[in-house]
Amino acid sequence: ECVLTQSPGTLSLSPGDRATLSCRASQSVGYNYLAWLQQKPGQAPRLLISGASSRATGIPDRFSGSGSGTDFTLTISRLEPEDFAVYFCQQYGSFPFTFGPGTKVDLK
Amino acid sequence: QLQLRESGPGLVKPSETLSLTCTVSGGSISGSNYYWGWIRQPPGKGLEWIGSIYDSGSAYYNPSLKSRVTISVDTSKNQFSLNLNSVTATDTALYYCAREPNAWGPGTLVTVSS
Repeated sequence: ECVLTQSPGTLSLSPGDRATLSCRASQSVGYNYLAWLQQKPGQAPRLLISGASSRATGIPDRFSGSGSGTDFTLTISRLEPEDFAVYFCQQYGSFPFTFGPGTKVDLK
Repeated sequence: QLQLRESGPGLVKPSETLSLTCTVSGGSISGSNYYWGWIRQPPGKGLEWIGSIYDSGSAYYNPSLKSRVTISVDTSKNQFSLNLNSVTATDTALYYCAREPNAWGPGTLVTVSS
């Protein structure tokens, strides 16, 4: 099973700041099938990035994903007020699919 | 636009079977070349992948739940379903269906309680 670890657990930032979130896998993610999801309170998760670096439809270009193999990064170039949320990574390259524990981006 | 919606009982008694259905609209399960999955989230906690099914009917499950889970698909109704048997309070969670990884239903809360 591919175990995903996310860091930091919480990121306290201000609007306009740059956010860098990390997701590390215990083994190489097949086909780099790594997704980043955003979840706001009371809402279902929303896909931001698939295939490690492909932005989903309608996702602003301030969100970018990078990485391959076992190390992946989600970068939010300039935080907007609506970006304060929890971010999960998910690998869907091999079964069982797995999720990371999440990184909470909150207001400093 | 693809939409998914979960449906089923919001309250299940301990030891009984939790059954949910996901209805897909705006797109077809058949021939989609996607996996259709179930994910759950206990209140205030993270996401747990339960299992996924392909339109052919091939299903894969979380090893920690495999002995209790069955996922099936009905392409004629454009639906797929989750059965989780012998439930306990630890199965209380928001249950989501998804076309993995890019489209999610709104989720449905299932509480296990007598």
